[in-house]
Amino acid sequence: GENVEQHPSTLSVQEGDSAVIKCTYSDSASNYFPWYKQELGKRPQLIIDIRSNVGEKKDQRIAVTLNKTAKHFSLHITETQPEDSAVYFCAADTGNQFYFGTGTSLTVIP
Amino acid sequence: DVKVTQSSRYLVKRTGEKVFLECVQDMDHENMFWYRQDPGLGLRLIYFSYDVKMKEKGDIPEGYSVSREKKERFSLILESASTNQTSMYLCASSFPGQSSRYFGPGTRLTVT
Repeated sequence: GENVEQHPSTLSVQEGDSAVIKCTYSDSASNYFPWYKQELGKRPQLIIDIRSNVGEKKDQRIAVTLNKTAKHFSLHITETQPEDSAVYFCAADTGNQFYFGTGTSLTVIP
Repeated sequence: DVKVTQSSRYLVKRTGEKVFLECVQDMDHENMFWYRQDPGLGLRLIYFSYDVKMKEKGDIPEGYSVSREKKERFSLILESASTNQTSMYLCASSFPGQSSRYFGPGTRLTVT
């Protein structure tokens, strides 16, 4: 089955700096890659997703890149703000099953 | 907006009790899922359902069962709660095919 690895598990950045979270996957059948943000005590919420026919997608300060050949995808947050502090999960969807990474706890230091 | 609700935010039960966790979604989603979330382990799939009366085991089904009598409702049952089932339980729903999961607020279950 699919194996999704996510790094780093914790990340601290100064406000205004960029943050990058990386995920790798093993199943070449995976072709949908969402990212979720979970604030403390709240539900995971979709923040951005990418399908395998696209290499990059941006939404304001958030971007996701996908390298199908290398089987990795990354979340980029620019100009980080304290409200970006949360746990971020990546996922890979093979069409039959969704596989989540183990999460990255991001802290933005004011 | 999709709304997924769960019957309780916090629940405390004793070892051996039968526990019911209810999940309701209002977007006519065919797919519904139960996950448990533990520190360092991420989200692990317990059971899922692609249709009424249908259920499939996920990665960690032992000690759990589910029921889906209506499209909008998916119940997770702990037949005899144990302390190792203390966890955050998240329900989710989605349309068929490759689409995002929409999560409920979670139920933090403590088994003493």
